[in-house]
Amino acid sequence: QKEVEQDPGPLSVPEGAIVSLNCTYSNSAFQYFMWYRQYSRKGPELLMYTYSSGNKEDGRFTAQVDKSSKYISLFIRDSQPSDSATYLCARLTGGGNKLTFGTGTQLKVEL
Amino acid sequence: SQTIHQWPATLVQPVGSPLSLECTVEGTSNPNLYWYRQAAGRGLQLLFYSVGIGQISSEVPQNLSASRPQDRQFILSSKKLLLSDSGFYLCAWRGRERSYEQYFGPGTRLTVT
Repeated sequence: QKEVEQDPGPLSVPEGAIVSLNCTYSNSAFQYFMWYRQYSRKGPELLMYTYSSGNKEDGRFTAQVDKSSKYISLFIRDSQPSDSATYLCARLTGGGNKLTFGTGTQLKVEL
Repeated sequence: SQTIHQWPATLVQPVGSPLSLECTVEGTSNPNLYWYRQAAGRGLQLLFYSVGIGQISSEVPQNLSASRPQDRQFILSSKKLLLSDSGFYLCAWRGRERSYEQYFGPGTRLTVT
């Protein structure tokens, strides 16, 4: 079982929709998670990070961690065509020096 | 503000040739530095990280090596490239004063022919 699993998509939604992106993880140690957005042929851009359970909100983005089910989610409200990208979830391991990534979910927001 | 640079942006090299990719960070001191590789259809894989000059930790044994000759410079090298070395190479940094967030550079796309 992979440490971090992510549905690769592609996920296609209309503009203005609420998008839900999800990851599951298999190891319970060190509950620090990050979400990155990666446009085609570019480096990943850090969107949000969260520690332990609960929600964290930043503008149109909300990150949620459910420790009991080992599930992490990123919600995007009022999605825009500019949100079309690949979204990567990552879990911090290795004493704080290793990020284990999911394979990414490709999102397309259509006009 | 902090900036991370990588060069070259793209590279096409024949099998068996050497490799040197460079990463530099501006606007911070004593960062942790990381090399990742992203292969097509796969997630990012950590290759090396460094917590200081001359200190390199290898995550995956392979045909590559890393060096950190200066505080804000990280180099990825190979003596002889293999076809399987093709991919998107990303450098990242983490500041000591921050939590654990890592910030990525623009990447180098390497094609080995």
